[in-house]
Amino acid sequence: AQSVTQPDIHITVSEGASLELRCNYSYGATPYLFWYVQSPGQGLQLLLKYFSGDTLVQGIKGFEAEFKRSQSSFNLRKPSVHWSDAAEYFCAVGALGAGGSYIPTFGRGTSLIVHP
Amino acid sequence: DAGVTQSPTHLIKTRGQQVTLRCSPKSGHDTVSWYQQALGQGPQFIFQYYEEEERQRGNFPDRFSGHQFPNYSSELNVNALLLGDSALYLCASSFRRGVYNEQFFGPGTRLTVL
Repeated sequence: AQSVTQPDIHITVSEGASLELRCNYSYGATPYLFWYVQSPGQGLQLLLKYFSGDTLVQGIKGFEAEFKRSQSSFNLRKPSVHWSDAAEYFCAVGALGAGGSYIPTFGRGTSLIVHP
Repeated sequence: DAGVTQSPTHLIKTRGQQVTLRCSPKSGHDTVSWYQQALGQGPQFIFQYYEEEERQRGNFPDRFSGHQFPNYSSELNVNALLLGDSALYLCASSFRRGVYNEQFFGPGTRLTVL
């Protein structure tokens, strides 16, 4: 069965600093990988996704992620963090289910705290 | 264009009661999935509905059931509530056809079981 590990429960950065959130996955086939962001009181918003091709994926809000098959990782990065980036970030791996749809399995999330 | 909407926003129930949560999908979407997100955890897949039938199910007991209506909206029902059912319940909608059915999430219903 597929699984996702986000080793950092909390990450604290200063506004303007760079950011990297770690994600490791376990999946037997070619993974479909995602990063979602969740702000308080809101649902999950898709930041970016990887299906195939270029291993460096660009997303919304200036985020990018790099797929490294050899390390089973899909880390999320941003060169300069804004205070509005403070939120909960979830990595997910999508697996094809019996019903013919891809169902994401989520990690437990990393809470990003941004200091002014 | 309205996104995914859920009602109610918050709900308080007592153990043993039953609850119904509602979801309206994003315009143009025909598939609805439900997730349970416990405090400090990532969302866990409960089940998915398409063409008014349950198509896929996660590791949840039969106390969790659902329904999809002809207009694609959906309900999640939980019977015999337990304290451990306290969580944020998220609905996500998608369009079934395509390589990957990108899911759009609603804001959730916060259920508290006392």
